[in-house]
Amino acid sequence: QQQVKQSPQSLIVQKGGISIINCAYENTAFDYFPWYQQFPGKGPALLIAIRPDVSEKKEGRFTISFNKSAKQFSLHIMDSQPGDSATYFCAASMSYGFQKLVFGTGTRLLVSP
Amino acid sequence: GAGVSQSPSNKVTEKGKDVELRCDPISGHTALYWYRQRLGQGLEFLIYFQGNSAPDKSGLPSDRFSAERTGESVSTLTIQRTQQEDSAVYLCASSRPGGSGYGYTFGSGTRLTVV
Repeated sequence: QQQVKQSPQSLIVQKGGISIINCAYENTAFDYFPWYQQFPGKGPALLIAIRPDVSEKKEGRFTISFNKSAKQFSLHIMDSQPGDSATYFCAASMSYGFQKLVFGTGTRLLVSP
Repeated sequence: GAGVSQSPSNKVTEKGKDVELRCDPISGHTALYWYRQRLGQGLEFLIYFQGNSAPDKSGLPSDRFSAERTGESVSTLTIQRTQQEDSAVYLCASSRPGGSGYGYTFGSGTRLTVV
């Protein structure tokens, strides 16, 4: 019940296209859903996060869509650029108390020029 | 400091030796986490410190792994009698009081290679 399932494992998108990465969770107590971006040789960096009181959050070209009833959330990268090529991790946690993030298995995104 | 600092950035050790990995969190971040990332894999939780509470050690893979934290500052992850399967990047992260609900800031990791 603590797992977060992420798909696809890898993704190739042409420059200017839309990249979509999906995650699903089981624990209905989760109320914080961040996405992290990791470049080779670097630690993951927080990209964008959402809480379940909204169904969508947009920051620039990055959008999280959240479906509470389906227990799914997704990251959309609009107008994908080669500089977006990285590994993306979804995660989930309970925001109260002393809780840790549970991470998905990661998606390796390659945006071709 | 401005970010989470980890040292060394790279460590090559012989099988059977002990290693110590260091993490210096962001000042004021009471929560500190260690994760392991094997090549091409996801993030595997190891241990979590929150202030003066007992640490959550539920992710430590064996009794060869241990970690300490001095107050709300530096943490050290120790791996005894290293094995080749311990080769990975060890990532440290810290977060504000209140824990994971405010997001983590990760260090750049220590790449451990056991030969």
